[in-house]
This record gives sequence, C-alpha cells and structure tokens, in this order.
Amino acid sequence: DAGITQSPRHKVTETGTPVTLRCHQTENHRYMYWYRQDPGHGLRLIHYSYGVKDTDKGEVSDGYSVSRSKTEDFLLTLESATSSQTSVYFCAISESVEPTDTQYFGPGTRLTVL
Amino acid sequence: AQSVSQHNHHVILSEAASLELGCNYSYGGTVNLFWYVQYPGQHLQLLLKYFSGDPLVKGIKGFEAEFIKSKFSFNLRKPSVQWSDTAEYFCAVNEPGGYNKLIFGAGTRLAVHP
Repeated sequence: DAGITQSPRHKVTETGTPVTLRCHQTENHRYMYWYRQDPGHGLRLIHYSYGVKDTDKGEVSDGYSVSRSKTEDFLLTLESATSSQTSVYFCAISESVEPTDTQYFGPGTRLTVL
Repeated sequence: AQSVSQHNHHVILSEAASLELGCNYSYGGTVNLFWYVQYPGQHLQLLLKYFSGDPLVKGIKGFEAEFIKSKFSFNLRKPSVQWSDTAEYFCAVNEPGGYNKLIFGAGTRLAVHP
C-alpha cells in the first residue's frame, strides 16, 4: 500500500467549529487530492494540489479550504463546520498525471458534525 | 460537465454466479477509465484501468472490463464471484491532461452470499 496516513481517523464536532484534517504521504508524490464520500454520490473532489503552495478547487469546494506548505502534507480545513459536511473524507496521491500512473487513496477520516 | 452513471446500486449474488456491473460516462472525447473497489471498512483500491490499446482490460482478482467507445461504456465483469468479493465498486473517469481529477459514479454495493 502507498504510504498515506490521514488524521484524525474519526472526529465528532459541533456546528460552527473549525476543523482541520491532515493527509500525510511518504511517497514524495507531487499531486494530492481531497475527496468526500457520501451515499448515492460516490466520491466527489473537493480540492487538489499540483505542487507545494499550488492548489485548485474541485467540484464541491464551497466551505472548504486547503493548504500545502510541504510536499508530504495536504491539509483540509472546514472554517465553520455544518451538518452537511458530515461525510467520510479521503485523501489521494498521484506521482504524475500520466494515465499509466495510479491514484492511491488513504484510509479515510469519518467526520460527524452535530 | 463530465458525469459517470452506474446503473445498479445494489447487487446480490450467490457464490459462483457471474457478475456484470454497468458504467456509462458522458464525455465524448478521449478519457481514461477506472474501476475501484472498497472492501468493508477499507480504503479504495484500484481494480483495473483503461487508457489506450486493447479495449478488454484485465485487472486483479479475476476482474475484467470492456471499453466500448460507441456506447460510452466500461462495464466490469467477473465470471464467478466469491464471498470475498463483497464490497462497493466505483467506476471513475478522468480527462487526459486534467490533473488526473477523478469523477466517480455513485457506486454499486455487491453482496455475495455463500
């Protein structure tokens, strides 16, 4: 398995509080992604990064921000959590964007917003 | 915008039955196609992918998929399922040169009974 860890693995928080999820990789891959998984929707891309300090929005970016100050870490922040952000969050990494390269996924973070 | 449809949301089979899961995508141009599997409580793993060449792709664990460009389809097949194939299966697509951003279908939950 690719060296991807996510922390925390589980979190319960209250509406209106800020939350930061961390994705850490040991593969030195350039590309990193945050997805959320919801029943009936599969996985949807929130934000992605194509290098240190280089990030862009995905399909469902409203209410989320990201930062990447080091190659190995990609942080996802919910500035003010809402119940609609209750979900399972997956980080993914990719060495390149060539079709021969695979996107590898982390173990996920289950977030509950009460 | 690109979209992916998985027709079967829940499939129940007995061991040794044959499996075919449908996947259709909307984009008319060149695409890369993927099937990922998520076993209970685990992260996503790549089963197989297509990016060029032979439209019949073989993956891990005896799975295969056929890319039919005229039908915008990439159906997953396995001739004889096992109880250990119980999982959720996701079809995904990306556009070459698009930072490898994956667009997922809603997923198909497969239950295999002994």
